[in-house]
Amino acid sequence: RKEVEQDPGPFNVPEGATVAFNCTYSNSASQSFFWYRQDCRKEPKLLMSVYSSGNEDGRFTAQLNRASQYISLLIRDSKLSDSATYLCVVTLPGDGTASKLTFGTGTRLQVTL
Amino acid sequence: DAGVTQSPTHLIKTRGQQVTLRCSPISGHKSVSWYQQVLGQGPQFIFQYYEKEERGRGNFPDRFSARQFPNYSSELNVNALLLGDSALYLCASSTGLAITYNEQFFGPGTRLTVL
Repeated sequence: RKEVEQDPGPFNVPEGATVAFNCTYSNSASQSFFWYRQDCRKEPKLLMSVYSSGNEDGRFTAQLNRASQYISLLIRDSKLSDSATYLCVVTLPGDGTASKLTFGTGTRLQVTL
Repeated sequence: DAGVTQSPTHLIKTRGQQVTLRCSPISGHKSVSWYQQVLGQGPQFIFQYYEKEERGRGNFPDRFSARQFPNYSSELNVNALLLGDSALYLCASSTGLAITYNEQFFGPGTRLTVL
């Protein structure tokens, strides 16, 4: 079983739509959780950290459910510029000091007119 | 301020050859990590270096090696290249080691094609 699993998509949504991405992780002792965004042929960039209490940044809301080992990302009022691959990322026990990131395969989002 | 820089941008090699990829971290960052991203997959951790010492290693064969220099720049070497080594190689820098996460900033990557 993969350490981090995501639906690869693609998700094709019209501009203005709300879209949700889900991610599951296999190691219950995983420590830190993130969503990264990667544009085509570019490097990944941190979108937001994810906390159990949930956190919001403008149109983006992230949620962590430790009991279910589940992470979500909600994008409201989608823009054309949101088209990208969204990578679910965790750090595993013992990797914190090594700053090792464990990535999912990514979910591709295409926002259309 | 300059971000993480990597060279070369693109590289084409043939099977069996050796390659060296270079990375310069953000000024003030002492930690450099290397990742391999195969097409259609997420990045996979290869190495982390901090203060010139290896601090983490992923599940990669011994053909992969790296080092960090006194100015915190780093090189990734891959020997005896295989077709499966074709990928985007990403370098990430962060301020250092921490129990909690230090944000890592990725460079634009080196796209390696092995023929």
